[in-house]
Amino acid sequence: EPEVTQTPSHQVTQMGQEVILRCVPISNHLYFYWYRQILGQKVEFLVSFYNNEISEKSEIFDDQFSVERPDGSNFTLKIRSTKLEDSAMYFCASKSTGNTDTQYFGPGTRLTVL
Amino acid sequence: GDSVTQMEGPVTLSEEAFLTINCTYTATGYPSLFWYVQYPGEGLQLLLKATKADDKGSNKGFEATYRKETTSFHLEKGSVQVSDSAVYFCALSKTNRDDKIIFGKGTRLHILP
Repeated sequence: EPEVTQTPSHQVTQMGQEVILRCVPISNHLYFYWYRQILGQKVEFLVSFYNNEISEKSEIFDDQFSVERPDGSNFTLKIRSTKLEDSAMYFCASKSTGNTDTQYFGPGTRLTVL
Repeated sequence: GDSVTQMEGPVTLSEEAFLTINCTYTATGYPSLFWYVQYPGEGLQLLLKATKADDKGSNKGFEATYRKETTSFHLEKGSVQVSDSAVYFCALSKTNRDDKIIFGKGTRLHILP
């Protein structure tokens, strides 16, 4: 069964450094998402992406964040200058069309900012 | 704005006990409702969903019915197993431009052998 994959599974970085989290959505999916889960808290929406542009973003998704689909398979989340409070599990998700409601989640990347 | 409220955890039950995790929602329009499960150290897995009023979602012995009149989507299982120990998230989304998933805070479930 097709699945969403994410790399790396765990990323440790120093405060102020740039990180890029990578996701490979399911191959025929057109809609892409990033969510994050700070340890022990609920999962929060960051951004949605369709047709090579951001569809919606939350207030969390400030100028330090960016997303890109650099080729036909990858979907990336970049944090330009990481802060301690960016430490969280980041989940990528994808869905096939605008008329479906089911998003498929990857296993997540745990980001630790020291 | 739209939101999901679910019962606080942790919930601790003995194996073979009956499980109910309460979930209520606030939303405009007609959202789809979901239960996601997160096993220790793993990502989010869709457990079940319902797309309209009175629909019942079911999977792996779990069930939830979309109750529009009470804006609820309670999760139930008749006989839980140790392997059901996980965090359960109630969630909603819509199938239009505003399609982000809104999650509840999650309920941690411990099943004792």
